[in-house]
Amino acid sequence: EPEVTQTPSHQVTQMGQEVILRCVPISNHLYFYWYRQILGQKVEFLVSFYNNEISEKSEIFDDQFSVERPDGSNFTLKIRSTKLEDSAMYFCFTARERGTDTQYFGPGTRLTVL
Amino acid sequence: AQKVTQAQTEISVVEKEDVTLDCVYETRDTTYYLFWYKQPPSGELVFLIRRNSFDEQNEISGRYSWNFQKSTSSFNFTITASQVVDSAVYFCALSENSGGSNYKLTFGKGTLLTVNP
Repeated sequence: EPEVTQTPSHQVTQMGQEVILRCVPISNHLYFYWYRQILGQKVEFLVSFYNNEISEKSEIFDDQFSVERPDGSNFTLKIRSTKLEDSAMYFCFTARERGTDTQYFGPGTRLTVL
Repeated sequence: AQKVTQAQTEISVVEKEDVTLDCVYETRDTTYYLFWYKQPPSGELVFLIRRNSFDEQNEISGRYSWNFQKSTSSFNFTITASQVVDSAVYFCALSENSGGSNYKLTFGKGTLLTVNP
């Protein structure tokens, strides 16, 4: 069974610090997404990424956020200057093709901003 | 804009009872996909089912079944003979066919199911 992996599983940081969350997608997947879930709330779309560029981003995904796939494998989410309200679970989601069952969530990274 | 409503915030049942989790959605698209995910206490999102808007057949997988009714924009999920291991938050989600490479999911707020022994 293929897997999406995410590192770290839990990150604690101080407000104002930069964090990078990493995702290793399944090798033949082409579509990459980040979702966020604040504790006890619903899962929210942040950004989609295809063909090395952002396809769509939500209102949450402001200038403090960026994504890239620097080496053709890892897919990263960077938060430049973390705020308390960035504390959440961040899920990577990857898909081979739109509209198929070949889509997977990673296990998530729990980010705690102090 | 698409919207998913899970009106039941929490449900508590006793083991072996049947339980139905409701999901109502709104979309302007004629082509869309509906999903259910399970989130156990460990936090990961476990894929349960995907349904496209052209396939209204009900689905059964073991103790799980899904009832998709376009006429009422509902995609309800039933667990038969519930077990303690079914205790989790269950999310319903919708993906519109917005073209291009988009696979954006809109989630409901989730239903916390507690199955007591």
